[in-house]
Formats: sequence, C-alpha cells, structure tokens
Amino acid sequence: AQTVTQSQPEMSVQEAETVTLSCTYDTSESDYYLFWYKQPPSRQMILVIRQEAYKQQNATENRFSVNFQKAAKSFSLKISDSQLGDAAMYFCAYRSYSGNTPLVFGKGTRLSVIA
Amino acid sequence: KAGVTQTPRYLIKTRGQQVTLSCSPISGHRSVSWYQQTPGQGLQFLFEYFSETQRNKGNFPGRFSGRQFSNSRSEMNVSTLELGDSALYLCASSKDTGLGSTEAFFGQGTRLTVV
Repeated sequence: AQTVTQSQPEMSVQEAETVTLSCTYDTSESDYYLFWYKQPPSRQMILVIRQEAYKQQNATENRFSVNFQKAAKSFSLKISDSQLGDAAMYFCAYRSYSGNTPLVFGKGTRLSVIA
Repeated sequence: KAGVTQTPRYLIKTRGQQVTLSCSPISGHRSVSWYQQTPGQGLQFLFEYFSETQRNKGNFPGRFSGRQFSNSRSEMNVSTLELGDSALYLCASSKDTGLGSTEAFFGQGTRLTVV
C-alpha cells in the first residue's frame, strides 16, 4: 500500500519570504499523480498543484512550485513571496495513475505566515 | 461552474441516532469520494462511488454506508452514532477519464458533533 509522509507538523514563514514544505511517499508503482492541497480555516480543501510522475518537468502555479524527485520519492512544495492568505494546513496526496484508487493523504503541515 | 456542495454544514446528533449527509458533485463528475477528518487520525478514506456503484471502500465499520444516485449526487449514512464519529466529513468529486480519476475537488464539509 502507498503511504505519504509529511515530516513537518508545523512551519512558519515571514510575509514575502519563501518556504518549502516536505513530502515523501512510498510506492512500487511507476505511474501516479501527486498533489498538494491547502485547507484554510474555512475548512475547504483547495487543490494547489498537481504533478504527473511521468513528467520530468516540475509543476508550477504562480507562486507555488514543486521539486519532484522521483528516484528519491520526494515531492516538496515551494511557496514564494508568502502572503497572509497562504496560512493553512497543507496536505500532500498520492493517487495511482491506473486503476481506480482513492487519494492517499499525508498528515499535513500547518503553515503560519508572520506579518 | 458550481463547485461541490455538501449539506448540511453543521450537525449535532445524540449517541445512538443516525445521520445522513449529502453531496452534490461538480457537473459532469461521476466519481464521488467521502473522507473523515479528525485531529488525531487526519484524513481517512471512507468510500468512493462511480456510476452508482461503490468502487472502493476504506476500513470503517458497517455503520458507515453510502450510495450514489443516477445524477451522481451521493449520500452517506452513519447509524448508531458514537462519540468517536464526531468529525469533519468531506466529499470530493472527480472527473473520471476512463482510466480512473485524477485530482479531486472538495466541498466545504459537514461538521458532525455527536453528544
């Protein structure tokens, strides 16, 4: 079974600075998707970024980018120019590419942004 | 395009009662998944429905059940409520590509409190 590990329960960053959230996963599959979700205090999970394992290029969405290291099974999220609205729980998630399997989530990292 | 809609947003029930939660997916999405989120256990997968059939099931007791209707709307039911069932219940919909689902889009959740 696949597992996702987020080793940083809490992180903090100064406004306008850059922060990196870590995620590692364990799988024997070669094709899969990886995601970062954000859950602000409003509770709604919001998709931040998605990466297909077969793509070597790291995904980028505005101030959010990932560092995908397939061999190391690592998938970190970098947030540049942090804003107060970035404060939230961030979850890393895995999904198999083939077959119909559910998302597997890490335990989450709580990010605080300091003004 | 309307997002995933969950009703009700908040519920307070007494031990031993039963409860039904509703989820309307994004138009065109045929896969609906349910997750239970608690501070101690994080996000745990309950079940997934696709085209009115349960496609995956998590490790929850039989008191937790669900169904999906022909319009893809889904309900989950918890019978004989226990204090430990107090949680945020999240519904997510996915657009199945035929090879399985990719990213999931979440509703705002239903906060269930069992007293």
